[in-house]
Amino acid sequence: DVKVTQSSRYLVKRTGEKVFLECVQDMDHENMFWYRQDPGLGLRLIYFSYDVKMKEKGDIPEGYSVSREKKERFSLILESASTNQTSMYLCAFSRQGVTEAFFGQGTRLTVV
Amino acid sequence: EDQVTQSPEALRLQEGESSSLNCSYTVSGLRGLFWYRQDPGKGPEFLFTLYSAGEEKEKERLKATLTKKESFLHITAPKPEDSATYLCAVRAIKAAGNKLTFGGGTRVLVKP
Repeated sequence: DVKVTQSSRYLVKRTGEKVFLECVQDMDHENMFWYRQDPGLGLRLIYFSYDVKMKEKGDIPEGYSVSREKKERFSLILESASTNQTSMYLCAFSRQGVTEAFFGQGTRLTVV
Repeated sequence: EDQVTQSPEALRLQEGESSSLNCSYTVSGLRGLFWYRQDPGKGPEFLFTLYSAGEEKEKERLKATLTKKESFLHITAPKPEDSATYLCAVRAIKAAGNKLTFGGGTRVLVKP
């Protein structure tokens, strides 16, 4: 079974804190993604990476950055958390080519 | 810009009452269309990949079909355990990093 592990299921942070969300995959796949999911807005792509140290902005990158130092690990960073970043964050990965993406269990982040 | 629209937004079914979910898409060259199931508080779970018009895939009570403009997910004789949100996503030929574009989802509730 493929496996994507996100570092936390639930997280509560204060406004202004720097927040790290980590994602690890065990399949040696090239592409990794960070989405956020909000009621009524669906899944929106924040950032993605198709190789180590490579990153591309998705549809809503503002307020976020990412890091991919190793192939299996992709981190999402909220430089200064704000209440409008309260959301469900989902990590995913896929192989090159036309293949499905596999998702982690999600991190429910609340910024107070 | 790639777009995916799912309808209806919500569907209430009696156990055994078959129905269909619609996914309409606009994409500049389709590489693949994906169906996912998502349970509350969890990450999406991959169901099917469809690549070309006329293709069909089946899994238990679910059957996915694809035309040049839309895909249908047919649920035959549903059971309460089929209750979930069903997500449709597309990958365009020119999609950087194999990124997916998602629809808003259809929430399905199957009552016993």
